[in-house]
Amino acid sequence: EAQVTQNPRYLITVTGKKLTVTCSQNMNHEYMSWYRQDPGLGLRQIYYSMNVEVTDKGDVPEGYKVSRKEKRNFPLILESPSPNQTSLYFCASSPSGRRSTDTQYFGPGTRLTVL
Amino acid sequence: AQSVAQPEDQVNVAEGNPLTVKCTYSVSGNPYLFWYVQYPNRGLQFLLKYITGDNLVKGSYGFEAEFNKSQTSFHLKKPSALVSDSALYFCAVRDLYNFNKFYFGSGTKLNVKP
Repeated sequence: EAQVTQNPRYLITVTGKKLTVTCSQNMNHEYMSWYRQDPGLGLRQIYYSMNVEVTDKGDVPEGYKVSRKEKRNFPLILESPSPNQTSLYFCASSPSGRRSTDTQYFGPGTRLTVL
Repeated sequence: AQSVAQPEDQVNVAEGNPLTVKCTYSVSGNPYLFWYVQYPNRGLQFLLKYITGDNLVKGSYGFEAEFNKSQTSFHLKKPSALVSDSALYFCAVRDLYNFNKFYFGSGTKLNVKP
């Protein structure tokens, strides 16, 4: 089944403790992206990747890191999480970032709470 | 800057009645617009998109959207609502100058009552 998977689905952590949220897709997509969803703000793009070893900032990259060493994986790293990073996180992928017609496929989400 | 706005936090409609979820956009040029739906505890699912061509776009689950350039709107519609349509709906626009970037609206919660 074609899908985007994220792990963990739920995470409660404490301020300053480094964490990684994994994202994997099995569709051989070039493009992957991370979003955070907050009430009243919709989804905001954190980082995106056009292909292996090619990443760039979205609108809200502060406090986050990403890497794209393999085509299928795009982990989101919080080196020193803070309470304002408590949010619902979504990973998405699409065949390419170069075509206007491409749509995104979203993972199930990761609910992160930073105490 | 490019953006979309969803002016209603919540829309309530009775089952069987037509529904409209509103979206307006601010884009300097011809926009690439999308609608997604989010069911509880699930990721977003693609419904439909407008790239170019016919102003009336048909999508999944009987939804359609009308692109109106003069009103800069892209409202989502369905002729007859189902209780199972109750969900959170997001409008999104693709950045014209960087296809890798997307901007989402704040979301509209649709409640369809039996």
